Amino acid sequence: GAVVSQHPSRVICKSGTSVKIECRSLDFQATTMFWYRQFPKQSLMLMATSNEGSKATYEQGVEKDKFLINHASLTLSTLTVTSAHPEDSSFYICSARDAVVRGGLPDTQYFGPGTRLTVL
Amino acid sequence: QKEVEQDPGPLSVPEGAIVSLNCTYSNSAFQYFMWYRQYSRKGPELLMYTYSSGNKEDGRFTAQVDKSSKYISLFIRDSQPSDSATYLCAMTYGNNRLAFGKGNQVVVIP
Repeated sequence: GAVVSQHPSRVICKSGTSVKIECRSLDFQATTMFWYRQFPKQSLMLMATSNEGSKATYEQGVEKDKFLINHASLTLSTLTVTSAHPEDSSFYICSARDAVVRGGLPDTQYFGPGTRLTVL
Repeated sequence: QKEVEQDPGPLSVPEGAIVSLNCTYSNSAFQYFMWYRQYSRKGPELLMYTYSSGNKEDGRFTAQVDKSSKYISLFIRDSQPSDSATYLCAMTYGNNRLAFGKGNQVVVIP
C-alpha cells in the first residue's frame, strides 16, 4: 500500500515551453502533497506544499508564477513548470501525506519515483 | 536548508562491514528524525524514524539520536550489496515538513 506515482518519469523540452508533472496517490487519499527538487549530489529541497482545494504554499525563493501547483482532488496534484529554462533542469519529486494515520510515524510522507526534467 | 548537515562523501565498504552514517543539525525545533534510502533515479523510501534521544533497532539497522549534541546516526550491520544506495537523513519541522541532508552514497562491494 501507500504508492505514489509520477508522470512522466522523464521529459525533455525546449527552452520556453511549459511542462506539467502529475503526482498521484494510488491507494490512499492525500490531503497534502509536497513538491521537491533535487539537483545532482544535493539534498531534496522543498518547493511547495499543496493542499487539496486551496492554494499552494511556496517556500522562500520559489517563484509561484513559474511553478504552478494544482491540487484538484485528494489523489492528484500537478506541477507545471512554465517557460522552462535550462537552469530548471532537475529531478522533481512529489510526496503525499496519508490523510489516515495507519500506525507508525504520524503524517508519513510517501514519495513518488521522481521526474527528471531536461530543458534544452 | 543548511540546518541539516550531512557530509555527502561517497562511502565504499566490503560486504559484511558496518556502515556508519551521521548528520548534525542546528534547529532545536526539529521533532522527528528519519533516515531515507534512495536508489538511483527513484524517490526516497522511509527506513527508520525516531523521536527521542537513544537507539532504535530494526533488523540490521540502528538509528541513534543525541539531542543534546544535535547529532543523529544510522548504522547498518552485516552490510549487503543490496544496501548500496543513497541514504538521506531528514527531520520534521513546522507542519510536518521535511528538511533533508545531502545524502551519502553507499556502495557495498561483494
